Amino acid sequence: AQSVSQHNHHVILSEAASLELGCNYSYGGTVNLFWYVQYPGQHLQLLLKYFSGDPLVKGIKGFEAEFIKSKFSFNLRKPSVQWSDTAEYFCAVTSNQAGTALIFGKGTTLSVSS
Amino acid sequence: NAGVTQTPKFQVLKTGQSMTLQCAQDMNHNSMYWYRQDPGMGLRLIYYSASEGTTDKGEVPNGYNVSRLNKREFSLRLESAAPSQTSVYFCASSVSGSPKTQYFGPGTRLLVL
Repeated sequence: AQSVSQHNHHVILSEAASLELGCNYSYGGTVNLFWYVQYPGQHLQLLLKYFSGDPLVKGIKGFEAEFIKSKFSFNLRKPSVQWSDTAEYFCAVTSNQAGTALIFGKGTTLSVSS
Repeated sequence: NAGVTQTPKFQVLKTGQSMTLQCAQDMNHNSMYWYRQDPGMGLRLIYYSASEGTTDKGEVPNGYNVSRLNKREFSLRLESAAPSQTSVYFCASSVSGSPKTQYFGPGTRLLVL
């Protein structure tokens, strides 16, 4: 069965600090990978996704993620965080098979202080 | 283009009451999903509908039923609500086939007393 593990439950950073959130997945086949963000009181929005091709994926708001197949990882990075990045971040995976749903990690809460 | 809409936004129920959460999408997506979000648990799939006329159980289907009314609408029903069903419920939709991105609605916050 597929599973997603996010290593950090709560990350606290100061503005301008660099961010890396870990995500590892468990699945042997071809996968599609996603990072979603949920700002306080809002619904989930897509940050970025990886389907195939260049393993370094750039998303919105300066976020990027790197797919490392050998490590089953899809870590999220941002060089310099802002206070407005305070949110909960979810890594998700789905197989390449039609009709399958997303499997989410438990989420990482990011708090950025100004 | 409203995307994915959900009603109601907030609901309080007493144990044993029933209710239906409504979801609609106007993106012509074939696949629709219901998730629940609980603190520290992420989002867990309750049911999904890969296409109109089909529904399948997800990770946590017990206590719920779904209806794919037509291509646009996918409802979630709680027949006899329990306090353990207190949660935030999100509906999502995606195009069929793969790969696919899911688009989420604003959520329904449900409190069962």
